[in-house]
Amino acid sequence: DAGVIQSPRHEVTEMGQEVTLRCKPISGHNSLFWYRQTMMRGLELLIYFNNNVPIDDSGMPEDRFSAKMPNASFSTLKIQPSEPRDSAVYFCASRLRGQPQHFGDGTRLSIL
Amino acid sequence: GQQVMQIPQYQHVQEGEDFTTYCNSSTTLSNIQWYKQRPGGHPVFLIQLVKSGEVKKQKRLTFQFGEAKKNSSLHITATQTTDVGTYFCAGLEGTASKLTFGTGTRLQVTL
Repeated sequence: DAGVIQSPRHEVTEMGQEVTLRCKPISGHNSLFWYRQTMMRGLELLIYFNNNVPIDDSGMPEDRFSAKMPNASFSTLKIQPSEPRDSAVYFCASRLRGQPQHFGDGTRLSIL
Repeated sequence: GQQVMQIPQYQHVQEGEDFTTYCNSSTTLSNIQWYKQRPGGHPVFLIQLVKSGEVKKQKRLTFQFGEAKKNSSLHITATQTTDVGTYFCAGLEGTASKLTFGTGTRLQVTL
């Protein structure tokens, strides 16, 4: 079975550029989560969706971050404009109600 | 907001020694989950505990959920080099979908 698929795996870009991270959840899962992981702050939940609807975006750092889930099989996390402090590993996870979360391999983002 | 702390942050053991990580929540949890993240990898689900005082075992790993449902522990007996990684607990409050991950304990095992 295909797991959660994230792209790109690595992204290096200059500050000020727009960055778009993509996630395809496991088919049939109805919740999707975006996390950011850094050494300093650990694993932080940014936003999550239930049935494609954003439920809690209190973890989104600031207005430069936005996330969408236009359908059950696709989500994006966008940073515009990007800053060096946004450098981190971004994980997407999905789950079926009442079941544990399944994580993608993550996107390693470096903002120069 | 809810906070989940783990201790220790880091532990280095020799292969064959035991290891324990402790997880404490600032609020009462409806359930607690444990994940393992290998270096360079992503968190992988290990187990979920739901009942007060629950104990579950997976081979050399023993998981406990505290009576007050605010703390948990993971004990590994006779560690192996394959146990290397960071172990996270993650708590759910009530019927929420949102998991709050602990700070993690990084385990290093050497021969």
